[in-house]
Amino acid sequence: GAVVSQHPSWVICKSGTSVKIECRSLDFQATTMFWYRQFPKQSLMLMATSNEGSKATYEQGVEKDKFLINHASLTLSTLTVTSAHPEDSSFYICSATSWGRGVAFFGQGTRLTVV
Amino acid sequence: ELKVEQNPLFLSMQEGKNYTIYCNYSTTSDRLYWYRQDPGKSLESLFVLLSNGAVKQEGRLMASLDTKARLSTLHITAAVHDLSATYFCAVGRTQGGSEKLVFGKGTKLTVNP
Repeated sequence: GAVVSQHPSWVICKSGTSVKIECRSLDFQATTMFWYRQFPKQSLMLMATSNEGSKATYEQGVEKDKFLINHASLTLSTLTVTSAHPEDSSFYICSATSWGRGVAFFGQGTRLTVV
Repeated sequence: ELKVEQNPLFLSMQEGKNYTIYCNYSTTSDRLYWYRQDPGKSLESLFVLLSNGAVKQEGRLMASLDTKARLSTLHITAAVHDLSATYFCAVGRTQGGSEKLVFGKGTKLTVNP
């Protein structure tokens, strides 16, 4: 299958700071990338869908000003958690796909801890 | 609103036994996925089921799809300890040109020696 790389794998930050997470498709051009959040022992919840070159579409209840998503190229999408708080601590996972590929491939996830 | 229900949520079984995990969903979908997640890790794709009656097998795992009943099953045959993980089903629906996935809550499987 295709390779999607997420960076960093884990990050610890102080409350009030911002954290950027990168999601890269290494061997294909990702026209669409998805960002999910997973709290401990829970399922994955879709946060937003980003299409290359356009604004992300956020799911209901997700603050777009807090979770900034940029999909400026066909191989890179970034999620920036702004003014992070402890309740933002979670496992963030991206997935990527492209037209005609059908299925999406998942990154390895980023464990965010806000202290 | 598409809802995906998985059961059981927790499953403890002995090595060598068989069991089935069920995944029900509320509305028609394009695809049905099964994933495995190990602690602290991301998702590993197991199966993609595309059409009614689809059956796929890989090793001790077999997945099937009944679109009329809106039901997919993941059957485990002669379980081994290495299968211990959390298994998620997800239903895909195309919206706005892209397929969004709605996940079940997951089934935490523990296989005891």
